[in-house]
Amino acid sequence: QKEVEQDPGPLSVPEGAIVSLNCTYSNSAFQYFMWYRQYSRKGPELLMYTYSSGNKEDGRFTAQVDKSSKYISLFIRDSQPSDSATYLCAMGLYSSASKIIFGSGTRLSIRP
Amino acid sequence: SAVISQKPSRDICQRGTSLTIQCQVDSQVTMMFWYRQQPGQSLTLIATANQGSEATYESGFVIDKFPISRPNLTFSTLTVSNMSPEDSSIYLCSVGLETQYFGPGTRLLVL
Repeated sequence: QKEVEQDPGPLSVPEGAIVSLNCTYSNSAFQYFMWYRQYSRKGPELLMYTYSSGNKEDGRFTAQVDKSSKYISLFIRDSQPSDSATYLCAMGLYSSASKIIFGSGTRLSIRP
Repeated sequence: SAVISQKPSRDICQRGTSLTIQCQVDSQVTMMFWYRQQPGQSLTLIATANQGSEATYESGFVIDKFPISRPNLTFSTLTVSNMSPEDSSIYLCSVGLETQYFGPGTRLLVL
């Protein structure tokens, strides 16, 4: 079993729709959680960072963490064609020797 | 966040040859990381490069295949040696501790 599972998609939704992207994980020791956006032919860009259960909002983006279920989500409201990208979840431990574990990414397409 | 550049942005190489990828950061950082991103797969950490010490390699990656240099606090190189088509991938450098900031990547195709 992978440490982090993420549906690869592709996911295609109409402009203006609410998008829900999800990841599950198996290691209950993970303490902080991130979402990255990666446009084609670009490096991943950090979107959201959170370290507690609950919701964190930033503009049209909301990151949700449920540690009891080992489940994290990213919601995108009022989706735009410019949101079309691959979204990767990532998580890590608070340790100087720790590394970040990434999901495989969900490819999202927003149709105008 | 740091601004990271990589060279080359892409390359097509013949099997058996080697390619050196450069990573430049606009600020001094202690740790730099090298990742591989194969098509449809997650980012896999190759190694961590600290200035002034040997790189630390992850399981499945060895120094002979992926030698790394870290001559100063703003620069690192990753060499992909004796390449085979299985090495075709995107190679990314990054900086940061809890959160990682990535360069644009180097797209490598080995024929």
